[in-house]
Amino acid sequence: DAGITQSPRYKITETGRQVTLMCHQTWSHSYMFWYRQDLGHGLRLIYYSAAADITDKGEVPDGYVVSRSKTENFPLTLESATRSQTSVYFCASSESYAGGRNEQFFGPGTRLTVL
Amino acid sequence: KQEVTQIPAALSVPEGENLVLNCSFTDSAIYNLQWFRQDPGKGLTSLLLIQSSQREQTSGRLNASLDKSSGRSTLYIAASQPGDSATYLCAVRGYGQNFVFGPGTRLSVLP
Repeated sequence: DAGITQSPRYKITETGRQVTLMCHQTWSHSYMFWYRQDLGHGLRLIYYSAAADITDKGEVPDGYVVSRSKTENFPLTLESATRSQTSVYFCASSESYAGGRNEQFFGPGTRLTVL
Repeated sequence: KQEVTQIPAALSVPEGENLVLNCSFTDSAIYNLQWFRQDPGKGLTSLLLIQSSQREQTSGRLNASLDKSSGRSTLYIAASQPGDSATYLCAVRGYGQNFVFGPGTRLSVLP
C-alpha cells in the first residue's frame, strides 16, 4: 500500500533494553522525521533526515539513534530504553525542501511503553 | 527560535456553528504553514497547506488563512458536525528549518 507505515504499532519493553521502531514510506520523499508526542509537551522532533545517509538532531535526540541507508526507510533505535521514553512516536515525510509543496505526511504512530 | 501558539486550547460548540481556530507564530519568515487534524489515539491527518505566497486555502467546509506580517493563521470550519471533533494542530516551516508545531486546539462538537 502507498503511504507511510510504522511498525510495531504497540510495544512494551523493559528498562535497559534496545528497541527499534520502523518507518517506511512509498513516496520517495527526501525528508523524513521522527517525533514524540507527550501530554503537556506536544510534538517534539527527535531526528530528521534530508536524504539517504544524511541525518541530523532535532529538539530531543538524547538516547536515540537513527540511520537511513535507503530513501524509503528511517528506523529509530532506543539504545537503552528508559521510562522517560514512554511515549507515542510518529514518523513523517515530506518532499525535498527546495521546491515542491513540502507537505508533511504522518504515519499512524507507535505507542511505546517502557516498564 | 520559532514559537507557535494556538488559541483556544479547547473549544466546545453545538452542531451547526461556524467556528475559528487560531494559530500564532513568532517568526514571520516562513516557507509554509500546515493544519492537521488528530483523532484520539491516531496519527495526524493533513487538512490544508498554505505556502508563504498564499493568503488562503479552502477544502470543503474548511478555510485556512495566512497573514505572515502579523504572524497569524486561522482555520475556519463552517457548519460544524460531531465528526469534526478532534484536536487541530498547526505547524510552521521556516526557511532552512524544520516544522514547528503548536500545542493544538481540542474541539468538541456537540450533537
